[in-house]
Amino acid sequence: GNSVTQMEGPVTLSEEAFLTINCTYTATGYPSLFWYVQYPGEGLQLLLKATKADDKGSNKGFEATYRKETTSFHLEKGSVQVSDSAVYFCARENSGNTPLVFGKGTRLSVIA
Amino acid sequence: DTAVSQTPKYLVTQMGNDKSIKCEQNLGHDTMYWYKQDSKKFLKIMFSYNNKELIINETVPNRFSPKSPDKAHLNLHINSLELGDSAVYFCASSQDSGEAFFGQGTRLTVV
Repeated sequence: GNSVTQMEGPVTLSEEAFLTINCTYTATGYPSLFWYVQYPGEGLQLLLKATKADDKGSNKGFEATYRKETTSFHLEKGSVQVSDSAVYFCARENSGNTPLVFGKGTRLSVIA
Repeated sequence: DTAVSQTPKYLVTQMGNDKSIKCEQNLGHDTMYWYKQDSKKFLKIMFSYNNKELIINETVPNRFSPKSPDKAHLNLHINSLELGDSAVYFCASSQDSGEAFFGQGTRLTVV
């Protein structure tokens, strides 16, 4: 099937802590993979993406590497800030003109 | 310029009313979507349109009727609103199955 599984939240971290949010997917072939972020009261916006195996997407200090061996696309950041508090969604490309497949979202709270 | 804009941002209405949410994208994308986000932040696809044609209708009640007058617009009309319709509704667009661009959302509260 086509699915995206990401770790359940909420995740609460202190400022400057290391962040990992796990994401795995099922697919035939090698779909593009995405991380979206939703800040409070806003819509989803693209954080980073990777279009082929072994690609690393990065933005705002966040990184994720497309691992075809483990069908994973874990999100990491070395030092989180209070402003990173948001809900993070992992997503994968689907075939044809069909929508992205989203994970259930992981809420991150960073406390000072 | 806002890439995907939807109005209104907030909508409070009584049960049984009919309401519409409008969405416009200026990205030249062929495909537009409506998503429903519940209180747990779970995103559920409702409809997908490609060049004004309905592609996906994910077992949404008939009270929900999307309309796409042209490929830049996808409006959502809801009849006989129910309490369970309260949610945040997001419009989005994409070219083929690539990156999706989202609107700011419409928070619908049915009282």
